[in-house]
Amino acid sequence: AQTVTQSQPEMSVQEAETVTLSCTYDTSENNYYLFWYKQPPSRQMILVIRQEAYKQQNATENRFSVNFQKAAKSFSLKISDSQLGDTAMYFCAFMNLNTGNQFYFGTGTSLTVIP
Amino acid sequence: GAGVSQSPSNKVTEKGKDVELRCDPISGHTALYWYRQSLGQGLEFLIYFQGNSAPDKSGLPSDRFSAERTGGSVSTLTIQRTQQEDSAVYLCASSPKTGRSTDTQYFGPGTRLTVL
Repeated sequence: AQTVTQSQPEMSVQEAETVTLSCTYDTSENNYYLFWYKQPPSRQMILVIRQEAYKQQNATENRFSVNFQKAAKSFSLKISDSQLGDTAMYFCAFMNLNTGNQFYFGTGTSLTVIP
Repeated sequence: GAGVSQSPSNKVTEKGKDVELRCDPISGHTALYWYRQSLGQGLEFLIYFQGNSAPDKSGLPSDRFSAERTGGSVSTLTIQRTQQEDSAVYLCASSPKTGRSTDTQYFGPGTRLTVL
């Protein structure tokens, strides 16, 4: 079974500063994808970034980047130059490519950007 | 372009009543997922449809929950004899999903169900 753990229920960061959200996962699979989703108060889930497990290079998307440590099964999200609009719940998710049917989500981290 | 839409956005019902939640996926997306998000919790997988294949119902919490997907497009999640613990936000997502490659899931805004 796959599990995804986000150990930080709540975090806050000053506007323009950098914050890192942690995520670890447990799997015996070797072929998978990892995702970070953002859920603002509007409830709309928005994809922030994704990482293919076979790629060694960390994914980057503008101010968002990941630190993917496959051996350690760690997948943290770094948000640089935090903006007020980054305030949201952030969910880490895992997808096993061998089954492909289910995403496994962490319980989320509530991020507040302080002006 | 149009994203995933869900209706109603909010639903309040009395315990014991049946409810139907609707999801309109992005046109052309073959995969459709239903999730449940209880207060303060992460997303719980409920059911998955892919093309004409039999749905993966492994996440449905009880036989009071069922879902259909007609014509490979619109999906309806039905909860019979609702209970207070069914109160949650129900999220639908769709994905183009071709072959063994994975594609990003695109989420709808969800339906907030409150069972009194």
